[in-house]
Amino acid sequence: QLQLQESGPGLVKPSETLSLTCSVSYDSISGSDYYWSWIRQPPGKGLEWIATIYYTGSTYYNPSLMSRVSISADTSKNQFSLKLSSVTAADMAIYYCARRPNTGWYFDLWGRGTLVTVSS
Amino acid sequence: EIVLTQSPGTLSLSPGERATLSCRASQTVATSYLAWYQQKPGQAPRLLIYGASSRATGIPDRFSGSGSGTDFTLIINRLEPEDFAVYYCQQYGSSPFTFGPGTKVDVK
Repeated sequence: QLQLQESGPGLVKPSETLSLTCSVSYDSISGSDYYWSWIRQPPGKGLEWIATIYYTGSTYYNPSLMSRVSISADTSKNQFSLKLSSVTAADMAIYYCARRPNTGWYFDLWGRGTLVTVSS
Repeated sequence: EIVLTQSPGTLSLSPGERATLSCRASQTVATSYLAWYQQKPGQAPRLLIYGASSRATGIPDRFSGSGSGTDFTLIINRLEPEDFAVYYCQQYGSSPFTFGPGTKVDVK
């Protein structure tokens, strides 16, 4: 059964870079049927799309975060990653990786999420 | 950026009742590119509806979506105990792809 699993530090200091990885099991991120995304949710709040990558290397970013965000993929490991620089308390959130089918920009499969706290 | 507003904020109902959730967009959502998700405490969102009215794989037919333009509705017929959760709408007609603030359906 397809699974997405987020991993990375649960605590990041202000002004530093948040780095997360999503490992995909039982499906290849190199296929053409899906795109691979990051979405976040501050505790008790709503959802925010961050970035998406396609197997071709094409990347898509939320303009509100574009200056600080980078998404990349390692097809040999079947993983994709997120980097968010210059974090502040406002970046504290549960970060989800998710799959987007090539039929539209909705998200049909999600990882369980990982909480990232920003604190010194 | 398209801003989504969901109402009501909280809907208190009993099992077996019908839930009607509203999602309104600040601009027309192109081609009814609207999705609905269900989220339970401590869990990731689950896709329920895409394209305003198409049920995702494995979603029971008591969930139905409708609407176009700026007004969309999610109906849950005959609420089951497992349906009490928060529901989010999301537009994907234009970037950035945005979510509504959610409607909580809780037990009356």
